[in-house]
Amino acid sequence: AQTVTQSQPEMSVQEAETVTLSCTYDTSENNYYLFWYKQPPSRQMILVIRQEAYKQQNATENRFSVNFQKAAKSFSLKISDSQLGDTAMYFCAFMRVNAGNMLTFGGGTRLMVKP
Amino acid sequence: DADVTQTPRNRITKTGKRIMLECSQTKGHDRMYWYRQDPGLGLRLIYYSFDVKDINKGEISDGYSVSRQAQAKFSLSLESAIPNQTALYFCATSVPSGGTETQYFGPGTRLLVL
Repeated sequence: AQTVTQSQPEMSVQEAETVTLSCTYDTSENNYYLFWYKQPPSRQMILVIRQEAYKQQNATENRFSVNFQKAAKSFSLKISDSQLGDTAMYFCAFMRVNAGNMLTFGGGTRLMVKP
Repeated sequence: DADVTQTPRNRITKTGKRIMLECSQTKGHDRMYWYRQDPGLGLRLIYYSFDVKDINKGEISDGYSVSRQAQAKFSLSLESAIPNQTALYFCATSVPSGGTETQYFGPGTRLLVL
């Protein structure tokens, strides 16, 4: 079974600064996907960024980027130029390919962006 | 994302009652999922369906059942609700594309079982 661990229950960052959220996972699989989802107070689960394990290049989406270290089974999210609207719970998730494609979620990190 | 809708958005019920949570999608995706989120925790999979004739149990299916009435509709039922089923419930849809797959979530249904 896969496990996903987010070791930082809460973090805070000043507006316009950069913050990195950590995620590690445990799997014996070689083919999988990794995701970061954002859950603002509205409760909606919003996809932030996705990484395919077979790709060596780190994914980037505007102010959001990841540091994917496959050998270390680490998948951190960097948010640059933090904005007040980035305040939310952030969940790291793992998807094993061709096995129901179920998502296994970490426990989440609550991020507060301060003005 | 308005492409995936859930009804009701909030529900209060009593122990022993049967309730149904509904999910509809206009994304045209074949795959649909039901997840549960407890306070301070990530989501856990209850059931999933890859098409109308395909239903599969997830990690925590006990006490739940599902129905896939059509490609666009996937309902979750609690046959006899109990207080520890109080949680936030999410429906999600997906379709494989170009070697990858992403799940898109509905807005969630907050359920309180008294």
